[in-house]
Amino acid sequence: GAVVSQHPSWVICKSGTSVKIECRSLDFQATTMFWYRQFPKQSLMLMATSNEGSKATYEQGVEKDKFLINHASLTLSTLTVTSAHPEDSSFYICSVGRQVRETQYFGPGTRLLVL
Amino acid sequence: KNEVEQSPQNLTAQEGEFITINCSYSVGISALHWLQQHPGGGIVSLFMLSSGKKKHGRLIATINIQEKHSSLHITASHPRDSAVYICAVEGGGADGLTFGKGTHLIIQP
Repeated sequence: GAVVSQHPSWVICKSGTSVKIECRSLDFQATTMFWYRQFPKQSLMLMATSNEGSKATYEQGVEKDKFLINHASLTLSTLTVTSAHPEDSSFYICSVGRQVRETQYFGPGTRLLVL
Repeated sequence: KNEVEQSPQNLTAQEGEFITINCSYSVGISALHWLQQHPGGGIVSLFMLSSGKKKHGRLIATINIQEKHSSLHITASHPRDSAVYICAVEGGGADGLTFGKGTHLIIQP
């Protein structure tokens, strides 16, 4: 299966700062990557679909100006949480799939704590 | 939007018991995934299925498209099976997954 890495695995920051999270597909080229977040004791929620070379597609209720996604290459997508606030504290996870209708491979996730 | 319901939410069982976790969804799908989330948060994909039944080791997943229902079974359960099991569905196109809230499974020795 595919190997997906995320960096960092943990980040603690002050309110108002921006945080960048990287998602890398290590062994295949991913034209599409998905970003999810999970609040404590809640289900994962799709935030956005990251498309290589074009704009990301955001789910309803997700602010595109706050959660900046850059998918500049076939192996890297970045999610930047701009001007982070405590309510943005969550578990952020990305996934890739070779194609729609195939197994999704998940990154290990990034825990963000905004103080 | 698809509504994904899982049951039970929490399940505690003794080692060796046969485990069943259920998932139902409201809108037709192209595929259903069963995922395992470990305490640290990491997620492993167990199955992806669009019809019938799949088996991998002690795990069995079934889906009934007409009834919009899937089950995950664990035979001869073991404490290392303790985790959160998540059902997720995907529609057509390149949409991401819609997740259930998960079933927190604890297998006691």
